[in-house]
Amino acid sequence: AQSVTQLDSHVSVSEGTPVLLRCNYSSSYSPSLFWYVQHPNKGLQLLLKYTSAATLVKGINGFEAEFKKSETSFHLTKPSAHMSDAAEYFCVANSGGSNYKLTFGKGTLLTVNP
Amino acid sequence: NAGVTQTPKFQVLKTGQSMTLQCAQDMNHEYMSWYRQDPGMGLRLIHYSVGAGITDQGEVPNGYNVSRSTTEDFPLRLLSAAPSQTSVYFCASSYMEAGTQYFGPGTRLLVL
Repeated sequence: AQSVTQLDSHVSVSEGTPVLLRCNYSSSYSPSLFWYVQHPNKGLQLLLKYTSAATLVKGINGFEAEFKKSETSFHLTKPSAHMSDAAEYFCVANSGGSNYKLTFGKGTLLTVNP
Repeated sequence: NAGVTQTPKFQVLKTGQSMTLQCAQDMNHEYMSWYRQDPGMGLRLIHYSVGAGITDQGEVPNGYNVSRSTTEDFPLRLLSAAPSQTSVYFCASSYMEAGTQYFGPGTRLLVL
């Protein structure tokens, strides 16, 4: 069985400072990993995905994530937060080749202070 | 392309009522799924389909039915609504090869 743990339920940063959202996974297989973002009262939008190619993955809006197999981590980072980054972020894993069976983390709410 | 569409956006039901949440996609995706989102729980898979005529249960299927008569549509039926089904429901679709799920805007359901 696979699981996804987002280590922080809430992260608060100031505008212009770095963002770090942490995600650990456990899986019997080499997983595909995703980060999704959900703005208030909106659906989920894909930020980036890792599918066993380069371990450093660049996504939209300046976000990137690094897959570290030895640490079973897939942390999301951004060098400089914008007010528009305030949202909930979900780390998601998909293993066994079945794209329709995703395991979601419980989410991290990012607050950006002016 | 409209992508993944869901109707209604918001619905209030009384306990015991039934209703159908609609989901449609115009991307010719074979795979479609229904999730519910509850505070602090992330998204949990209710049912999914790998193609027309084929459906299967996810993590939390009780109280819900689905069918897939066409590639485009994947409705979710609540048989007898309960307050525990108060949630936000998301439909998603994907290609098998792409590995990326595209989500609809969600349906917010309140069961009184």
